[in-house]
Amino acid sequence: DVKVTQSSRYLVKRTGEKVFLECVQDMDHENMFWYRQDPGLGLRLIYFSYDVKMKEKGDIPEGYSVSREKKERFSLILESASTNQTSMYLCASSTGPGTTGELFFGEGSRLTVL
Amino acid sequence: AQSVSQHNHHVILSEAASLELGCNYSYGGTVNLFWYVQYPGQHLQLLLKYFSGDPLVKGIKGFEAEFIKSKFSFNLRKPSVQWSDTAEYFCAVRIGRALTFGSGTRLQVQP
Repeated sequence: DVKVTQSSRYLVKRTGEKVFLECVQDMDHENMFWYRQDPGLGLRLIYFSYDVKMKEKGDIPEGYSVSREKKERFSLILESASTNQTSMYLCASSTGPGTTGELFFGEGSRLTVL
Repeated sequence: AQSVSQHNHHVILSEAASLELGCNYSYGGTVNLFWYVQYPGQHLQLLLKYFSGDPLVKGIKGFEAEFIKSKFSFNLRKPSVQWSDTAEYFCAVRIGRALTFGSGTRLQVQP
């Protein structure tokens, strides 16, 4: 089974702090994604990566950055956390072109910014 | 930009009732379509997917969905729901590498 592991299930941070969310997948998937999930808004794409050191902005990249130094690991960084970034963050991975593009999700990281 | 609309935000059904959740998307080209489910406290799981071929797709746990290209729709159905189907359901469209998701439908099944 594909396993996508997010390092922290729950985090509480203060406004202005730098926040790192880590994600690791064990199936050698090419693509990795960060979404945020908010009630009534569904999942919105923040960033994705289709190869090591490659990244593309999603629909809501403002206030976020990402890092992919190794194929299995994709990090989401909040340079200066704000209260409107309180949310559930979901990491996902998928195989490359020519496949159905099914996403495999982690358990999620619930971030609260005070 | 492409979008996905789920018309029902909160649905309450009794056990054994039939279910249909609506999903429409706005994109004129070739799409891959998905329904995901999130049970309380669990991660998102794939229910079913449409890639090509037969527009009636069967998934896990007795769910099915029908792709109607002319209506840009991919509605989810189940003939008889169970209490264990209580969850949030998300429709998604793949264009390129990423999936665009709808806002979700919360289904509550009463015993």
